[in-house]
Amino acid sequence: QKEVEQNSGPLSVPEGAIASLNCTYSDRGSQSFFWYRQYSGKSPELIMFIYSNGDKEDGRFTAQLNKASQYVSLLIRDSQPSDSATYLCAVNRNRDDKIIFGKGTRLHILP
Amino acid sequence: EPEVTQTPSHQVTQMGQEVILRCVPISNHLYFYWYRQILGQKVEFLVSFYNNEISEKSEIFDDQFSVERPDGSNFTLKIRSTKLEDSAMYFCASSDRGSYGYTFGSGTRLTVV
Repeated sequence: QKEVEQNSGPLSVPEGAIASLNCTYSDRGSQSFFWYRQYSGKSPELIMFIYSNGDKEDGRFTAQLNKASQYVSLLIRDSQPSDSATYLCAVNRNRDDKIIFGKGTRLHILP
Repeated sequence: EPEVTQTPSHQVTQMGQEVILRCVPISNHLYFYWYRQILGQKVEFLVSFYNNEISEKSEIFDDQFSVERPDGSNFTLKIRSTKLEDSAMYFCASSDRGSYGYTFGSGTRLTVV
């Protein structure tokens, strides 16, 4: 069974600090890894995706991938109250494959 | 910015009734998807659709479910005989480059009573 595991949280982080979100996956055939943000009652929105080992930065967000450890993470620098949401980790095998989502980690930024 | 539009935003139906959930994907997108999210649970894949046919479906997508692209713009999900456990938020998504660029619609909350 292909699974994506995340700590459900809530993860509480003071405003301005770095939030660190983690995810592990079971399918070694996974090639692409996604982070989505989902506000309560809303649809998921793509933050970024990564497919190579290492770090990928986009503004305040950095995704980190370690395929040997089957581990993906998302760092959010200078956390803002508007970053409070559920963050979904997702994976797939290739462009034509479906995306499989984890259950998400609830992040709460403390003002 | 282009949007994926879903209607209705909320539908209440009686158990055993048929429902049709409607989606208008972004106009130049070729890949279409339905996902669902039961309250408090993860977003689950139902079906993907490309080149006017189903490309993949999950175990959830049984004979009660069907999809259609009836007129080149709409993409519909039909549930023939709804069950209580079909209550969920249903999300449509479309993409012009497979799974690398999903845009989700705002969802239809289906409540089966």
